[in-house]
Amino acid sequence: EVQLVESGGGLIQPGGSLRLSCAASGFSVSSNYMSWVRQAPGRGLEWVSILYSGGGTYYADSVKGRFTISRDNSKNTLYFQMNSLRAEDTALYYCVRGNWNNYFQYWGQGTLVTVSS
Amino acid sequence: DIQMTQSPSSLSASVGDRVTITCRASQGISNYLAWFQQKPGKAPKSLIYAASSLQSGVPSRFSGSGSGTDFTLTISSLQPEDFATYYCQQYNNYPFTFGPGTKVDIK
Repeated sequence: EVQLVESGGGLIQPGGSLRLSCAASGFSVSSNYMSWVRQAPGRGLEWVSILYSGGGTYYADSVKGRFTISRDNSKNTLYFQMNSLRAEDTALYYCVRGNWNNYFQYWGQGTLVTVSS
Repeated sequence: DIQMTQSPSSLSASVGDRVTITCRASQGISNYLAWFQQKPGKAPKSLIYAASSLQSGVPSRFSGSGSGTDFTLTISSLQPEDFATYYCQQYNNYPFTFGPGTKVDIK
């Protein structure tokens, strides 16, 4: 059974850093397309980043240069290093698994990041 | 960036109704279009990918169609568990973008 369990969210001051984790089971993160999608409170969905099985990465302009997506194959875990956090980064962050034609097939339950002083 | 629009933004329907939601892309995206269902306090759930492919485990009353810029999600006979918000998303061009959502509630 595919499972995605996010962790690492919390309350952080503007300018601070957080690292989100997404522990995967039932499949290998290295063989799949892994994304982060966020949802600000009461708002719609926003794609943020993707890590392809081949290692390529892409980011939304809103986070480019501040956030980094990566994986640890030995731990079967996806990460999201978030630096220089801003109030507008406040959101529920979802880890999502997909493949070559089905990019956003499985979603985790999300981890909440709140950026506030 | 490709802009995704959805219509209507909300609708009220009854159990058993046929419901159609439209999604339009600001430029052609071939068939790189997905549909998601989200219920309050829950993670989104994938319904349709590649515009018309039904995700495994999703009831056959859900269907998707379209290509290029115009797409539709149809629920052939609305069930009580279908009351939710529906989002379309393009994944043809970066950044991948979502529509603003269509809220389906009970009439």
